[in-house]
Amino acid sequence: QVHLVESGGGVVQPGRSLRLSCAASGFTFSNHAMHWVRQAPGKGLEWVAVVSYNGGSQDYADSVRGRFTVSRDFSKNTLYLQMDSLRPEDTAMYYCARDPRFCYGGSCQGGPYYYFGMDVWGQGATVTVSS
Amino acid sequence: QAVATQEPSLTVSPGGTVTLTCGSITGTVTSGHFPYWFQQKPGQAPRTLIYDTSKRHSWTPARFSGSLLGDKAALTLSGAQPEDEADYYCLLSYSGGRGVFGGGTKLTVL
Repeated sequence: QVHLVESGGGVVQPGRSLRLSCAASGFTFSNHAMHWVRQAPGKGLEWVAVVSYNGGSQDYADSVRGRFTVSRDFSKNTLYLQMDSLRPEDTAMYYCARDPRFCYGGSCQGGPYYYFGMDVWGQGATVTVSS
Repeated sequence: QAVATQEPSLTVSPGGTVTLTCGSITGTVTSGHFPYWFQQKPGQAPRTLIYDTSKRHSWTPARFSGSLLGDKAALTLSGAQPEDEADYYCLLSYSGGRGVFGGGTKLTVL
């Protein structure tokens, strides 16, 4: 059974840093790209970042580019989101989610290079940025 | 910047049928946008209902169906149940390499 579990959330002052983790199980972690998606209180979903299946490429929403870094550790089957220079507007629930395409050997099955999709989601980690 | 548009709120009677739509301000939504639909209940993580326009996951009730309707993607709920009351979000893929969530539709079953 595919399972994603986020951790590392908390309350942090503006300008400080926080690192979220997402532990993956039940599937071959190295065959799927992984996303971070956030949801501010009472608001809709906002895509934050994606890392490719092999960790070789990343992309970010304009709102976090230059401040957040997504990475993955294949030995631990864990996805990370390093959040620096945090702002009050970064306050949100942060979800990790799996891209459903199966990727290996430089290509992915199930969609073109620009395909954006999520099939399984974690339960979320709360980040509050406040002084 | 691509934006996906959804109805802010809709109401359906128990047992009734309702259609939620997802438009793009850049033009017609096609299968090449690989439309997704997610359901989110209060206090819960989103759950993927529909992917690639019309494909259901194993956990998606058969009363939910996806399609293209006119120039938009659509999620149709046939035979609404009280437990279907939730927020629904669409997601569109754009060839520029980004995905965009719609603003969400709050569905009330009343």
